[in-house]
Amino acid sequence: NAGVTQTPKFQVLKTGQSMTLQCAQDMNHNSMYWYRQDPGMGLRLIYYSASEGTTDKGEVPNGYNVSRLNKREFSLRLESAAPSQTSVYFCASSGAANQPQHFGDGTRLSIL
Amino acid sequence: DAKTTQPPSMDCAEGRAANLPCNHSTISGNEYVYWYRQIHSQGPQYIIHGLKNNETNEMASLIITEDRKSSTLILPHATLRDTAVYYCIVSGAGGTSYGKLTFGQGTILTVHP
Repeated sequence: NAGVTQTPKFQVLKTGQSMTLQCAQDMNHNSMYWYRQDPGMGLRLIYYSASEGTTDKGEVPNGYNVSRLNKREFSLRLESAAPSQTSVYFCASSGAANQPQHFGDGTRLSIL
Repeated sequence: DAKTTQPPSMDCAEGRAANLPCNHSTISGNEYVYWYRQIHSQGPQYIIHGLKNNETNEMASLIITEDRKSSTLILPHATLRDTAVYYCIVSGAGGTSYGKLTFGQGTILTVHP
């Protein structure tokens, strides 16, 4: 069972480059989420999509854009990467708001 | 969103029960208590959640006090593989707290032989 799949698993970028992180879930979930986790800290919500066709900002949305491509896929884009965006990015999905979120294995992103 | 307070670290002997406390004194009526854990740098893993009643599943039990201001996660027979950071999170189902999980520092549980 795949669950939540994130690609790529690792990426190194130079400052100013752009990149899109991909996330797909096969659980027919309505809601999807993007988080970042900096060393020694808990996860922080970047953006979420309550249902297909909707997206909303989370706690730390600056510097990011998202696209809910369809029910399965939710991508996160960095238009002009900055060293402060070096982090581990996790995607999650849930059936509804009060249901548990299931997480992917993360994308480890370094920006030089 | 209601904030939670957890001890930064706890130890437990293998085979014994691990009891992880969490305070959430500002929880509101429609907010659930969720527990997740994170092993090494993997993605967080859902453990259990509840609203007001005690809950049990194949992984753990969740005991919520009657006033809902605190809860305890119980791992009945801890193993070395249960060593992880455990997060207690309070999250609502509507309004501005829609589905949002706010992760604090969590409790580092170390299970030793």
